Formats: sequence, C-alpha cells, structure tokens
Amino acid sequence: ETGVTQSPTHLIKTRGQQVTLRCSSQSGHNTVSWYQQALGQGPQFIFQYYREEENGRGNFPPRFSGLQFPNYSSELNVNALELDDSALYLCASSLRNTGELFFGEGSRLTVL
Amino acid sequence: QQPVQSPQAVILREGEDAVINCSSSKALYSVHWYRQKHGEAPVFLMILLKGGEQKGHEKISASFNEKKQQSSLYLTASQLSYSGTYFCGTDAEILRSGAGSYQLTFGKGTKLSVIP
Repeated sequence: ETGVTQSPTHLIKTRGQQVTLRCSSQSGHNTVSWYQQALGQGPQFIFQYYREEENGRGNFPPRFSGLQFPNYSSELNVNALELDDSALYLCASSLRNTGELFFGEGSRLTVL
Repeated sequence: QQPVQSPQAVILREGEDAVINCSSSKALYSVHWYRQKHGEAPVFLMILLKGGEQKGHEKISASFNEKKQQSSLYLTASQLSYSGTYFCGTDAEILRSGAGSYQLTFGKGTKLSVIP
C-alpha cells in the first residue's frame, strides 16, 4: 500500500469520447506525475505537477491535460480518445527533491 | 530515448543469482529501479545518482557506470517473491526541468520468474 489511490480502476470508452481520471496523493506529497503503460511496456511519462502547475511534459499531444488541486490531488483528462489510448494510467506521488515515486494501482482504460 | 534493458526475460530457480542491465544513449543524472508484479503498481527499489555509490537493499544491489551510461541490478540468492518485471528508469541531464523533479524514461522491462 503506497497511500496513492486512483479512480476509476477500470473504464471503457468509445473513440472520440473524453475521460477524466483521478488520483489522491500520499499525505504530504507535493508532486504528482502521470504515466501511461501500454500492455507489455514500461511506463511512459505524460506530465508532472508541482504546486498546481505543470512542471514538465513528455511526448504527448495537447489533448492530454491535467490539473493539480490545493490538496495535491490530481486529474488527468484525455479528449478525443483514440484506440491507441487504451492503456493503464499510473499516477505517482512524490516529495520534490526526493527520488522515490509512490505509484497507485492505476486506471485501466479501454477505448473501443 | 528509451533505455535498453537486457535480458528481456529470465527464469531462475530459488537461490540462484541474476543480473539485469540497463543502458542509455544519453548522459544520465540518475538511474531508478522498480519492480512490478502482475496487476500491481510498480514499487521503488533504489535510486543511483551520478557520482553516488553502489546501493544495496537486502539481497538486491545495483551499480551505475557513469562513463558508459549503464546500470546493473544484482539479485542474489533469489526468492520466489522476487518474481516480477523489473524496470529501470532514467533521468537524463538534458531533460531535467529543475532540481528534484524526476521525470523518468523507463525501459521495456525484464521479466524475472523464480521457480521452486
């Protein structure tokens, strides 16, 4: 148990729809990162938030967006879903200036 | 660019040793190791920083060769609980957006199976 919770755990959407995934950080953690993990692959960095501002972004299009709230919880929004967006979306919280990422168990998104 | 891990998969009997390698084409600031069991979240094992020492954690240790941009994870006297997929995550100097903001590029993973 890392103390990082994500919701929903599973969801199915159709192409073109929009989805919002949620993450509650471990208590006291001020940095949230989102990763996409396709089946059989390593996690791929989407973006990171620190103090409610985006603090770095991976190679993902603008239809992937996020928010971090004052309580450090976070959302990942994906617009205009594509089939290739089907993956496990992992949220990881951490303290700035420390290396360890605490991952949640993820939200598995299936796009039909 | 994604670091390259080898081997892709390995099967061990309990008590045997294994080495998992991770190499990058970019100059690295740090290397991070995680283990993910099937259907579970990745779990942090250790971080090796540029200029740092070899790290150890019970029977799992790792090294970081800064000149070659390579890291190795050593698992000794393997246990059934070591089974899972091991990922190295790299933090390239050129990509760092600020101190402490680790934004990792993970390899494809090494699947380790320990059998009785």
